[in-house]
Amino acid sequence: DAGVIQSPRHEVTEMGQEVTLRCKPISGHNSLFWYRQTMMRGLELLIYFNNNVPIDDSGMPEDRFSAKMPNASFSTLKIQPSEPRDSAVYFCASSERLSGANVLTFGAGSRLTVL
Amino acid sequence: QKEVEQNSGPLSVPEGAIASLNCTYSDRGSQSFFWYRQYSGKSPELIMSIYSNGDKEDGRFTAQLNKASQYVSLLIRDSQPSDSATYLCAVNIGGNTDKLIFGTGTRLQVFP
Repeated sequence: DAGVIQSPRHEVTEMGQEVTLRCKPISGHNSLFWYRQTMMRGLELLIYFNNNVPIDDSGMPEDRFSAKMPNASFSTLKIQPSEPRDSAVYFCASSERLSGANVLTFGAGSRLTVL
Repeated sequence: QKEVEQNSGPLSVPEGAIASLNCTYSDRGSQSFFWYRQYSGKSPELIMSIYSNGDKEDGRFTAQLNKASQYVSLLIRDSQPSDSATYLCAVNIGGNTDKLIFGTGTRLQVFP
């Protein structure tokens, strides 16, 4: 398996523009997670899905952020409009359940810079 | 209080020594605990999981869990320069085995 695939790897955009990050989870994994990582705040959980259904979006910072998972093999995280404070590395992870707990496999991340 | 707390470091140890990394968590209902390693510019990768009180060994790594003290640690024996990375503690929060919260990580430096 190719692992969790994220795109784009790098994005530089200007404040106010729409940003869409994409993720393809590992085939057969039924949970998908979006995290954001910054030096100041570390790795923060934004939202996660089970079987394509959003379960917990309490980490989504504000209404400018939205996430969708239209099918088991694709998810998007959208920021509209983007702001400089959204600059971070965004990780997507998918999981399989082992010994009763989810074990996450991360994608390579999408580094977002908002100017 | 943060849900998962770690000392940011850096923790500097000489090659061959034991590195000890610590983590505390706030939710007494947590049942699953993980250590991830993250090299600079890379994504986190799982190195250990532990679910029961006590020690769990895997090669040079030993995870230790004390639920009464809400404390989990990672020991790295015979530390190598290649172990230099940030180590992230992760805990399932809220009695929900799906929601995994990470600490901010401890940066480990192993010098020759």
